[in-house]
Parts: sequence; C-alpha cells; structure tokens
Amino acid sequence: RKEVEQDPGPFNVPEGATVAFNCTYSNSASQSFFWYRQDCRKEPKLLMSVYSSGNEDGRFTAQLNRASQYISLLIRDSKLSDSATYLCAVNPFEDSSYKLIFGSGTRLLVRP
Amino acid sequence: GAVVSQHPSWVICKSGTSVKIECRSLDFQATTMFWYRQFPKQSLMLMATSNEGSKATYEQGVEKDKFLINHASLTLSTLTVTSAHPEDSSFYICSARETFSGGGDTQYFGPGTRLTVL
Repeated sequence: RKEVEQDPGPFNVPEGATVAFNCTYSNSASQSFFWYRQDCRKEPKLLMSVYSSGNEDGRFTAQLNRASQYISLLIRDSKLSDSATYLCAVNPFEDSSYKLIFGSGTRLLVRP
Repeated sequence: GAVVSQHPSWVICKSGTSVKIECRSLDFQATTMFWYRQFPKQSLMLMATSNEGSKATYEQGVEKDKFLINHASLTLSTLTVTSAHPEDSSFYICSARETFSGGGDTQYFGPGTRLTVL
C-alpha cells in the first residue's frame, strides 16, 4: 500500500461547480498535512495547510479525519484558473524528520 | 511567501557527464532542504533530506554515490548527478524548510531543474 494515495482523476467539471478531492495516508503517526497545487511543468505551490479543526481559505476548504486517516479538499465555485493537479502531502514524522511524502496528484479540468 | 531559487532551470548533457544543481533560499535560512525527482505524469518522489553541516539522509533506493548532496551553508544545497545516464532525465525540484519563531514550519519549492541526458 502506498503511503499517500489519491484518485488520479481527471475530474472534469463545469465552471461554478463544487468539487472535492480525498487523500488517504497509511501512517497513523503522521503529523502535518498539506495541499499543493501544481501546474504543468511547474513546481508545486502550497495551497493550504490542513489543521485538525479544518480550515477555509476563500473558496477552498480543507478537512482532516485522523480516525479514518484521510484529508480532503473542497473547491467551491470552480474557476477556469483552478485547472491544475492537486497534490496532497503528508509528514509521516519518521525519525523526527520533516520530510513530505506526496500523493500522485489529482488532475482537475474546469471547462467553460 | 519565501523564495527558493534553483539553477540551472534546464540542462542538457551527454551521457557520462556530471551535472550540479543549486538550490538557494533567498530570504530565509534553511537548516533543512529536500530534493525531489518527478518523472512525467508522476508525483514527486523524495530523494534525500539535506541537512546543513551534516550528511544527507537518502531515501531507500536512492544511490548516495550517484546523487551527491552538499549543504554547506544555511542558504545553499547542491545536488550533483554523477555519471548521468538517459534514465536520470527528469525534473529535479528542491524545497527549503522555513521555521517560525512561534512554532510551525512550511516548505517552499524551487522552480525545478529539467535535466535531459542524451
């Protein structure tokens, strides 16, 4: 089983739609969780950290479910510019390391 | 957010040569940097953790003698791909960890280096 798993998609949605992505992680000791956005042939850019209480940033909402070991990202009112690959990242906190393990990414296509 | 630079942004080299890639944190000090590799349509795979002033920690399956990492200062880590072969062609991305006085941390990614080995 992979340490961090995501549905690769693609998710093809119309503008204005609400779309949700899930990401599961295998190590229950994992400490930190993040969502990154990656555009084609570019580096990942931090979208948001994921906190236990859940957090919201504009149209984006992230949730953490420790019991079921998954994190989610909800995008409301999708824009064409939201088209990208969304990567979840988890710090498994092995050997007190701060390394991040990435999922394979979920591709989102927002159509007019 | 913090800025991390990488140099070069792309490089083409002949098989058997060595290539050095630099990763710099421009406006913060990073005791820890990370090196990733990403093949087309795949996710980022962590290669190693670069620790300032000490040896790098390599992930399982990554050859430390082939991918030499040096983190000589708090703002610079280098990755040298030695005796590069076509299968080493990939997108190499570094990240630098910034810590905050109130606790917490964030990793910022460099723009990546696209390596093509002929």
